[in-house]
Amino acid sequence: GESVGLHLPTLSVQEGDNSIINCAYSNSASDYFIWYKQESGKGPQFIIDIRSNMDKRQGQRVTVLLNKTVKHLSLQIAATQPGDSAVYFCAENRNSGYALNFGKGTSLLVTP
Amino acid sequence: DAGVIQSPRHEVTEMGQEVTLRCKPISGHDYLFWYRQTMMRGLELLIYFNNNVPIDDSGMPEDRFSAKMPNASFSTLKIQPSEPRDSAVYFCASRTGGRGNTIYFGEGSWLTVV
Repeated sequence: GESVGLHLPTLSVQEGDNSIINCAYSNSASDYFIWYKQESGKGPQFIIDIRSNMDKRQGQRVTVLLNKTVKHLSLQIAATQPGDSAVYFCAENRNSGYALNFGKGTSLLVTP
Repeated sequence: DAGVIQSPRHEVTEMGQEVTLRCKPISGHDYLFWYRQTMMRGLELLIYFNNNVPIDDSGMPEDRFSAKMPNASFSTLKIQPSEPRDSAVYFCASRTGGRGNTIYFGEGSWLTVV
């Protein structure tokens, strides 16, 4: 069925290193993707989004890559900081509509 | 700007009791969503509204759950009667119309049913 899944449940990186969080999606009709960050005890916060007519989009220290051929999405965080420790979710627009379908999340732990 | 506001932030209730969760979306947003988050199932869409009208309630688990949006600035999610398996974090979120616009989440209502 249609779903968004993540390759790794946890990721541990050293402060200053780059982080890459991966996500696979199965709905080829999805045309919009978002990455969210969720800190403990808080709601998901928007990080960056990308439309299906793009392959790459950059923000401040973050880059999202979209490979429609293999239905794969990744989030790259440059120079990872302790404040980046959180759970990261990828999401796709649900049934090409207005709601979002979320993956299970990857926990990123930044160690000093 | 105020974000999505949810209340209560935390609720502990006994099985069988009625629970009402409340949400105030961001002003000007015409889509409102209720999501539930658990460790086992992640973030699940329960229902969403457009211009106060329910559009998709296929995620509502059963008849014990109901949601209303009487006006553009207020929505409720009600569970009656509550059961221990309803324990979860319930998020309200909102967005403007137009494809691809970001959905903004509230801080969640943490529900424990004992």
